[in-house]
Amino acid sequence: DQQVKQNSPSLSVQEGRISILNCDYTNSMFDYFLWYKKYPAEGPTFLISISSIKDKNEDGRFTVFLNKSAKHLSLHIVPSQPGDSAVYFCAGELGAGSYQLTFGKGTKLSVIP
Amino acid sequence: GAGVSQSPSNKVTEKGKDVELRCDPISGHTALYWYRQSLGQGLEFLIYFQGNSAPDKSGLPSDRFSAERTGGSVSTLTIQRTQQEDSAVYLCASSAYRGPHLHFGNGTRLTVT
Repeated sequence: DQQVKQNSPSLSVQEGRISILNCDYTNSMFDYFLWYKKYPAEGPTFLISISSIKDKNEDGRFTVFLNKSAKHLSLHIVPSQPGDSAVYFCAGELGAGSYQLTFGKGTKLSVIP
Repeated sequence: GAGVSQSPSNKVTEKGKDVELRCDPISGHTALYWYRQSLGQGLEFLIYFQGNSAPDKSGLPSDRFSAERTGGSVSTLTIQRTQQEDSAVYLCASSAYRGPHLHFGNGTRLTVT
């Protein structure tokens, strides 16, 4: 049972345009959501997060939106840059006392110069 | 070093052999995690250590897998009698206390032939 789903394995975007990466989840007990970015041959690095009590969190070019009723979140990158080309993982964390992150399978973003 | 260090970066082994993977977490981080990423899959939780508490081994896929953390710092993940389905990238992460902002190492790519 996949609790976190990233249905698009890949996405190509022109440099300067907006990249939108989507993530759906089934576990309504998730209390916190995170996005990680991964370059080839490197470990994932934390990018941005959002608490389940919020619907938006912004950090520079990166914004995460959460729609709890739809159990859907999205990561917006604007403007997209070639250096943003990487695999993006969405993850959910259960509430207090939990520490396991449940990851999606990732979306490979390619930003074309 | 400043980050999480894993060794070896690559390991090729024959089916049936035992392997040991090593992780050096960030100094001062009390929480240590092992995840693995099989081809085309998301990151799968394996085991969690927090300080001197008993580890959470709930993610270990079989009793061929074990892990220890000596002195609250370095951790080794041991896979006995390796099977081809064990082939994956094994990622170690640490955090200052309990996630969710995990700092990942670059992983060990294990190939079982």
